[in-house]
Amino acid sequence: NAGVTQTPKFRILKIGQSMTLQCTQDMNHNYMYWYRQDPGMGLKLIYYSVGAGITDKGEVPNGYNVSRSTTEDFPLRLELAAPSQTSVYFCASSHPGLMGYNEQFFGPGTRLTVL
Amino acid sequence: AQSVTQLDSQVPVFEEAPVELRCNYSSSVSVYLFWYVQYPNQGLQLLLKYLSGSTLVKGINGFEAEFNKSQTSFHLRKPSVHISDTAEYFCALTRVYGGATNKLIFGTGTLLAVQP
Repeated sequence: NAGVTQTPKFRILKIGQSMTLQCTQDMNHNYMYWYRQDPGMGLKLIYYSVGAGITDKGEVPNGYNVSRSTTEDFPLRLELAAPSQTSVYFCASSHPGLMGYNEQFFGPGTRLTVL
Repeated sequence: AQSVTQLDSQVPVFEEAPVELRCNYSSSVSVYLFWYVQYPNQGLQLLLKYLSGSTLVKGINGFEAEFNKSQTSFHLRKPSVHISDTAEYFCALTRVYGGATNKLIFGTGTLLAVQP
């Protein structure tokens, strides 16, 4: 049981390039999330999904796109990379539990630098 | 709207000393509260959670936290820290019965730096 895996671990992009951050979970969780972590800012939610084919925006969705064609995968797409997207990106997954509580399990992160 | 405040960005402490990491929250509705730990170059790991019941909750690695509704606080404590506790600690909340659309709201984090 690998949990939540993310690839790549590190990436450097030039301004205007595009890339896809991969996220896969093997826990059969319905819910998946993408966060970005900036120094001194905590984690901010970019997009989330409640199941295959269903996605919605979080707090900071501009400049990103997502898709969810399977339960396991939730890729995050950057179309035109900008320096403001330099950050550490975390994927998480969860499953509905008792009392509406759903613990989120996090991947190891992708460190992205845009130059 | 809900928010989480961690006033201390860094807490230096000597090994085997006690430590308290402070967390205050703001919410007009009932919330669940969490502490996550992030070791260097790793993802976030749940340390402990408060859902209901006893206000003193115990987590992994000897940490505990106390929920104080009147002071809207959820401070994290450990009686004796180790070098291996050096990490970033995040306090977070989520609304009760919020479901998947109920996002985790994080504080800005506190770096616990344990020195020998």
